[in-house]
Amino acid sequence: EIVLTQSPGTLSLSPGERATLSCRASQTVISTYLAWYQQKPGQAPRLLIYGASSRATGIPDRFSGSGSGTDFTLTISRLEPEDFAVYYCQQYGSSWTFGQGTKVEIK
Amino acid sequence: QVQLRESGPGLVKPSETLSLTCTVSGGSISSSNYYWGWIRQPPGRGLEWIGTIFYTGNTYYNPSLKSRVTISVDTSKNQFSLKLTSVTAADTAFYYCARDSHGGAFDIWGLGTTVTVSS
Repeated sequence: EIVLTQSPGTLSLSPGERATLSCRASQTVISTYLAWYQQKPGQAPRLLIYGASSRATGIPDRFSGSGSGTDFTLTISRLEPEDFAVYYCQQYGSSWTFGQGTKVEIK
Repeated sequence: QVQLRESGPGLVKPSETLSLTCTVSGGSISSSNYYWGWIRQPPGRGLEWIGTIFYTGNTYYNPSLKSRVTISVDTSKNQFSLKLTSVTAADTAFYYCARDSHGGAFDIWGLGTTVTVSS
């Protein structure tokens, strides 16, 4: 089973700042089959990125994904108030597994 | 606009079977473009993939749950279902159904339903 480790656990930033979230896999993720989700309290997760770098429908271009192999990054170029949430990475190249999440909180 | 909705008992006794159904509206579950999955989230914790099914009935299960999980599909009702046997308190969670349209990434989610395992 591929284990995904997200860092940091919590990211404290101010609106307008840049957020960089990391997701490291215990084995190579096949064909960059990696996704990122955003989850707000009381809501279902929302798909942001699939295929490591493709934005899902309706996702603003301030969200971008990059990486390959075992190291992946989600970048939010300028944080908007609605971006403060928990973010999960997920690999689907070998079965399906999720990371433990990174909380982006207001500083 | 495709929508998914979970339904089922909110309370299950220990050692019994958890049964949930996901109803798909606004689109066909029989499309060859999509798979359909179940994901759960224990209170205050992260997401755990349970399993995924294709409309033909092909299934994929989380190895850690495989011995207790069955996912099935009913194309005539546009539904797919989850059964989890021999539940314990550790199975208490919010359960989501979701559509997989990118070879494994879930792009549409139901609102979720809470299931508590307690006597």
